[in-house]
Amino acid sequence: GAGVSQTPSNKVTEKGKYVELRCDPISGHTALYWYRQSLGQGPEFLIYFQGTGAADDSGLPNDRFFAVRPEGSVSTLKIQRTERGDSAVYLCASSTRSTGELFFGEGSRLTVL
Amino acid sequence: AQKVTQAQTEISVVEKEDVTLDCVYETRDTTYYLFWYKQPPSGELVFLIRRNSFDEQNEISGRYSWNFQKSTSSFNFTITASQVVDSAVYFCALKLTGGGNKLTFGTGTQLKVEL
Repeated sequence: GAGVSQTPSNKVTEKGKYVELRCDPISGHTALYWYRQSLGQGPEFLIYFQGTGAADDSGLPNDRFFAVRPEGSVSTLKIQRTERGDSAVYLCASSTRSTGELFFGEGSRLTVL
Repeated sequence: AQKVTQAQTEISVVEKEDVTLDCVYETRDTTYYLFWYKQPPSGELVFLIRRNSFDEQNEISGRYSWNFQKSTSSFNFTITASQVVDSAVYFCALKLTGGGNKLTFGTGTQLKVEL
């Protein structure tokens, strides 16, 4: 499709497990962003990539969270030793380098039991 | 640090009514960008508008209009003649220059338009 694609759309896991969330941005978009949205809140910035490198990871809450974008396209957000507080919708967005418009995916809903 | 406040948690209107969603922002920077996004039940945030801090001209796009008042740090959004399809959560967001598209979002306003 032409939009940002995120998989899985829903993920239920148990406390302490490892989780990977995938984002496939719009073709040709060099910048990729991860945001996290808790219930009733606005999205919160986690990390953004310009190409393959993380340009700003200041929003990652702790070292259990890590993200990669090895070929400058698809990105994976990895969460180790999940906690119940990690439950949220994880949103991915992409943009061209020069515009301010972010194109968001529909998100991956993570539930940690 | 920057902050965006959307004091209205939920607004309910009857179709064809006009409705204004408020947004107040805080930043020490003189150059910044303001945004509005719509989040329908599907969850995908949809871009509506971007405004830079040097452009205080109000903008109209169809039934949508935006009022940017730098003096009061507000960037309000009005929907004229609301329709049921306008029902969604609306987010206001702020971005500083540089730093890519790192947006600071408000908590959103849930708009319900009923017949």
